[in-house]
Amino acid sequence: DAKTTQPPSMDCAEGRAANLPCNHSTISGNEYVYWYRQIHSQGPQYIIHGLKNNETNEMASLIITEDRKSSTLILPHATLRDTAVYYCIVRGASNFGNEKLTFGTGTRLTIIP
Amino acid sequence: ETGVTQTPRHLVMGMTNKKSLKCEQHLGHNAMYWYKQSAKKPLELMFVYSLEERVENNSVPSRFSPECPNSSHLFLHLHTLQPEDSALYLCASSQDSGSADTQYFGPGTRLTVL
Repeated sequence: DAKTTQPPSMDCAEGRAANLPCNHSTISGNEYVYWYRQIHSQGPQYIIHGLKNNETNEMASLIITEDRKSSTLILPHATLRDTAVYYCIVRGASNFGNEKLTFGTGTRLTIIP
Repeated sequence: ETGVTQTPRHLVMGMTNKKSLKCEQHLGHNAMYWYKQSAKKPLELMFVYSLEERVENNSVPSRFSPECPNSSHLFLHLHTLQPEDSALYLCASSQDSGSADTQYFGPGTRLTVL
């Protein structure tokens, strides 16, 4: 079951903010929104996660709508090294059983010089 | 660097060979995972270990045999593989605290079965 929907690809100009959308209309109250990215042929890299409130760290900001049915990952000043596949994942509070981390097909973000 | 290392980074093996993939985490975590990523397919969870006990096995063929001797090390023993087993094999670790635990991934082993 696909819990999230993301556009398959996006382009963003270098130096601009990259805004990656994710729809998760069936999210339940105890499920978190996680974002990972995978640069070609490398392991996935954790970016950020949130439950209800907006979150910010050194890599990105996560904006979650009030109804929690969608979210946006923001890379404030995109660089060429941000070119990667970005995965939006909805999961519960445990790593095991039904709340495991399930990757979809993600959004391929290309940063244009 | 994520604190999770994998060796070897690349491996080519014949269908009759026996090889092992190694994963080591330096993060003090208590859970470790094996994932498989085939070309143009999403990551698939293979095995989960928590406190060195296997807690999940996602119907993986017996030609893949995991081993977790301690909380820092995880192995994936391979024998009589098929060409369709060629993929990127990823290891991850997390600290299972009962809340939203973040998994940290290693760089992966690119496996080619001839």
